Amino acid sequence: DAGITQSPRHKVTETGTPVTLRCHQTENHRYMYWYRQDPGHGLRLIHYSYGVKDTDKGEVSDGYSVSRSKTEDFLLTLESATSSQTSVYFCAISGQGGGSYNEQFFGPGTRLTVL
Amino acid sequence: LAKTTQPISMDSYEGQEVNITCSHNNIATNDYITWYQQFPSQGPRFIIQGYKTKVTNEVASLFIPADRKSSTLSLPRVSLSDTAVYYCLVGESPSNTGKLIFGQGTTLQVKP
Repeated sequence: DAGITQSPRHKVTETGTPVTLRCHQTENHRYMYWYRQDPGHGLRLIHYSYGVKDTDKGEVSDGYSVSRSKTEDFLLTLESATSSQTSVYFCAISGQGGGSYNEQFFGPGTRLTVL
Repeated sequence: LAKTTQPISMDSYEGQEVNITCSHNNIATNDYITWYQQFPSQGPRFIIQGYKTKVTNEVASLFIPADRKSSTLSLPRVSLSDTAVYYCLVGESPSNTGKLIFGQGTTLQVKP
């Protein structure tokens, strides 16, 4: 267990409302990632962070923003949720102690439903 | 980022060896090859990683030919609990951004 948690684990919200998902790690990993997983698409990278206040876009970043104000927390925000953002969201971490970032440790996931 | 191609699904029986091959024709010099396993309702779990030749750990072996344009994940004597989705990924070196691309993976079904 790499010490990574996600909150909330489940959320149902309405179209147009803002939503923030939190990823918290206790292992001092440098890199943090947000993915979404949908049937038929596997996992797709939304945004990632390579340090405090250093973030970049992934392949499906439209409609999402992120923030990382401290090493242990990486927040994913949907400014105005849409039904197309109904998905399972996974956070991942890597790069502890200079180790290979290719070995990512995943959180338990957040199931988000936008009605 | 190098694109990977792997079979959508495979079937096997308990006790057999399973080999899943991944094609990555555009792999770059500094790319590593990594395999993940995902069970339903869980996040992916790292299995093995390699750069060239053969890598073995307690779970699997990874075979990478000299041209590195493909790789094969070998699972010895599978059991029903090995039923999962297996992802092959190719990623840049540690000096770059750390971005990885997951494809659709290979769904392995192990039958009794």
